[in-house]
Amino acid sequence: AQSVTQLDSHVSVSEGTPVLLRCNYSSSYSPSLFWYVQHPNKGLQLLLKYTSAATLVKGINGFEAEFKKSETSFHLTKPSAHMSDAAEYFCVVSDPNTGNQFYFGTGTSLTVIP
Amino acid sequence: ETGVTQTPRHLVMGMTNKKSLKCEQHLGHNAMYWYKQSAKKPLELMFVYSLEERVENNSVPSRFSPECPNSSHLFLHLHTLQPEDSALYLCASSQGRGRIPSTDTQYFGPGTRLTVL
Repeated sequence: AQSVTQLDSHVSVSEGTPVLLRCNYSSSYSPSLFWYVQHPNKGLQLLLKYTSAATLVKGINGFEAEFKKSETSFHLTKPSAHMSDAAEYFCVVSDPNTGNQFYFGTGTSLTVIP
Repeated sequence: ETGVTQTPRHLVMGMTNKKSLKCEQHLGHNAMYWYKQSAKKPLELMFVYSLEERVENNSVPSRFSPECPNSSHLFLHLHTLQPEDSALYLCASSQGRGRIPSTDTQYFGPGTRLTVL
């Protein structure tokens, strides 16, 4: 069965400090993994995705994530937080063995302190 | 964000009303999705259409009825809803290359905030 666990429901960082949002997944096959961001009253926007190419994936707005199969993790990082990064972040796994349905984590709310 | 549009953005309805949510995608995609987003819960996939054919239902109550007249438009017809159906309803689309959607990126609309009184 597929599942996604976002280990922190809320993360708070100071502006200019690093961001780490954690995600662990379970999948019976080589999954595709995504991070989406949702700003207030907006739809979900794709930050980055992993589809069995390079394990370090670079996304928009300076975000990147590293696929670690041995740890079944896909943590999202950014070297320096900006005020505009405050939003809800969702980790998603998609597995071709289950019809490629998207499985969403419960989300991590990121607060950036000035 | 203009790739996938949803109307209305906000909707308040009574339990006896009938209303419809509309989604339109301008990306030339073949697959479209309805999701329900409730507070503190993961997004729930409700329906998937690929090449205008419904491929996923996920045991959604019959008070939700989807319609996909063509690959660009998707509707969600609502009737006799319950207060627990209040949520943000998100539409998404993806490229899709067959009956079963691939792992292509899904592009989301801004959602319709539904409140059932």
